[in-house]
Amino acid sequence: QQPVQSPQAVILREGEDAVINCSSSKALYSVHWYRQKHGEAPVFLMILLKGGEQKGHEKISASFNEKKQQSSLYLTASQLSYSGTYFCGTERAGNTGKLIFGQGTTLQVKP
Amino acid sequence: DGGITQSPKYLFRKEGQNVTLSCEQNLNHDAMYWYRQDPGQGLRLIYYSQIVNDFQKGDIAEGYSVSREKKESFPLTVTSAQKNPTAFYLCASSRGTGAYSNQPQHFGDGTRLSIL
Repeated sequence: QQPVQSPQAVILREGEDAVINCSSSKALYSVHWYRQKHGEAPVFLMILLKGGEQKGHEKISASFNEKKQQSSLYLTASQLSYSGTYFCGTERAGNTGKLIFGQGTTLQVKP
Repeated sequence: DGGITQSPKYLFRKEGQNVTLSCEQNLNHDAMYWYRQDPGQGLRLIYYSQIVNDFQKGDIAEGYSVSREKKESFPLTVTSAQKNPTAFYLCASSRGTGAYSNQPQHFGDGTRLSIL
């Protein structure tokens, strides 16, 4: 079953922060986050494994609450280059590599 | 440089015609995937392969077929049975599963398929 992302879209000014959520109705093994620019291929951001870990990548970080079956992506002090559509991909069982992607969250950062 | 190459970038299909989308990777990855993306939508899994000569159906396999005769190649055929093939098709690969699970998927630049 497809995970649900919220919000669907968000508009920011440069320097503002944003949070994108990804929720599943099923138990999760891992959560992947990707960013896609218009007309381009998705680019990998990070993977979070069950265990509630939090990861960071420059000013982009994420958390994974396996009990709530939720993951959140945090964008701090957003830059123009952060614009794009963010997808979470969830893996329900380990060792399969099969991901189910959310519908995406479109982020637009304005000067 | 290692990567995933999809061709062609744009493809047009006539009614009743089968078309094949190419996907080649030189990353030495075991696992490969095909996704379909419709405007404003997420990625939906068509087929995936974890090893040569083996593949599994994804969530929307009807009207599609694949083969995995070589590790580096995973072509997708859109058959005439697929009544609504217009979409952006993305191929991806990852290091593998099992001991190599939890690896990121690397995507090609995609093929846009349209009906004439």
